[in-house]
Amino acid sequence: EVQLVESGGTLVQSGGSLRLSCTASGFIFSTYDMNWVRQAPGMGLEWVSYISASGTIVYADSVKGRFTISRDNAKNSLYLQMNSLRGEDTAVYYCARGGKGGSRLDYWGQGTLVTVSS
Amino acid sequence: AIWMTQSPSLRSASTGDRVTISCRVTQDISTYLAWYQQRPGKAPELLIYAASTLQSGVPSRFSGSGSGTDFTLTISGLLSEDSATYYCQQYYTFPFTFGQGTKLEIK
Repeated sequence: EVQLVESGGTLVQSGGSLRLSCTASGFIFSTYDMNWVRQAPGMGLEWVSYISASGTIVYADSVKGRFTISRDNAKNSLYLQMNSLRGEDTAVYYCARGGKGGSRLDYWGQGTLVTVSS
Repeated sequence: AIWMTQSPSLRSASTGDRVTISCRVTQDISTYLAWYQQRPGKAPELLIYAASTLQSGVPSRFSGSGSGTDFTLTISGLLSEDSATYYCQQYYTFPFTFGQGTKLEIK
């Protein structure tokens, strides 16, 4: 069974930093593209970042230069390092697996809440 | 970026009804479109990908159609458990983008 479990979300001050983790199980993690998607309270879904199985990385303009996505295939883990946090970064952050043959998001974690206070 | 517009934003229907949700895209994305269901307090779940392919385990009352710039999600024989918000998403190019969501309420 595919499982994705996020952790690391908490309350942080504006300008601060935070590292989110996503631990994967039930599939060969190293062969799949992975994504971070976020959802501000009461709002819709916003794609944040992508890392391919081979290491290609893409960011949304809203986080470029502040967030860093990475993966550790030996630990079956995906990470999101978030720096210079702003109030508008407050959201539930989901990790999501990219499906084979195209990057629909076929499995999602339960999400972890990041709250940025001013 | 590619913009996605869903309509309606809110839909109320009764159990057993057939509903359609539209997703319009600002440029041709072929069939690189997915639909997701998000129940309150839960993570999104993939329903449809490649515009019309049903994700494994998803009931056949869900179906998708369209290509290019106009897409439709159809739910036939509504059940109370279909009460949720539905999102379309394009994965034709980065940045991936989502529609604003359609909230479906079951009377």
